Amino acid sequence: GESVGLHLPTLSVQEGDNSIINCAYSNSASDYFIWYKQESGKGPQFIIDIRSNMDKRQGQRVTVLLNKTVKHLSLQIAATQPGDSAVYFCAELGTSGTYKYIFGTGTRLKVLA
Amino acid sequence: GAVVSQHPSRVICKSGTSVKIECRSLDFQATTMFWYRQFPKQSLMLMATSNEGSKATYEQGVEKDKFLINHASLTLSTLTVTSAHPEDSSFYICSALAGPETQYFGPGTRLLVL
Repeated sequence: GESVGLHLPTLSVQEGDNSIINCAYSNSASDYFIWYKQESGKGPQFIIDIRSNMDKRQGQRVTVLLNKTVKHLSLQIAATQPGDSAVYFCAELGTSGTYKYIFGTGTRLKVLA
Repeated sequence: GAVVSQHPSRVICKSGTSVKIECRSLDFQATTMFWYRQFPKQSLMLMATSNEGSKATYEQGVEKDKFLINHASLTLSTLTVTSAHPEDSSFYICSALAGPETQYFGPGTRLLVL
């Protein structure tokens, strides 16, 4: 289940189950969103992106859903594996023309054997 | 995919000294790079935008005289933490802009100030 830690919420899932990680973004005018995976002590690793003219995009074992009405993104990971254990961040591209990313607070995914 | 490197990966320094962190785009040119700071169990916070050939743009609350940025070439940006103090200990991550929407991230630099 989900729990909220000091700063980073944690999602614990059994190996083989599907994971759903959620993110609320801030700017209704943002038109590009990205999910990143960050392992301990490493930089963010691109997972999948989606534009605002789409509701869903699929990759290998991952799916991103975008609900613009409520400014919500989700990342679904199918058949979660131990190697999926990491912190996951959503990011939105700012609309100021400066190419800045705005990162969400992140969710720690723990895969239980 | 494009590769961004950072050097050093880890650094320990004494309080009051300055530390320089390098960010390089290895197989593409980047007129714009970004510097982020990440505290434990927190998200990435943008510190500044590094622009080749011009001054960096700092986010609100980030001291430009404390965090000196130099974008000397199209493949190199440096961040110098001047007169470092223990509260500057953090994970510093850079990214390089490869297109209007695409940033490639470096592996990060762990700074510990004693």
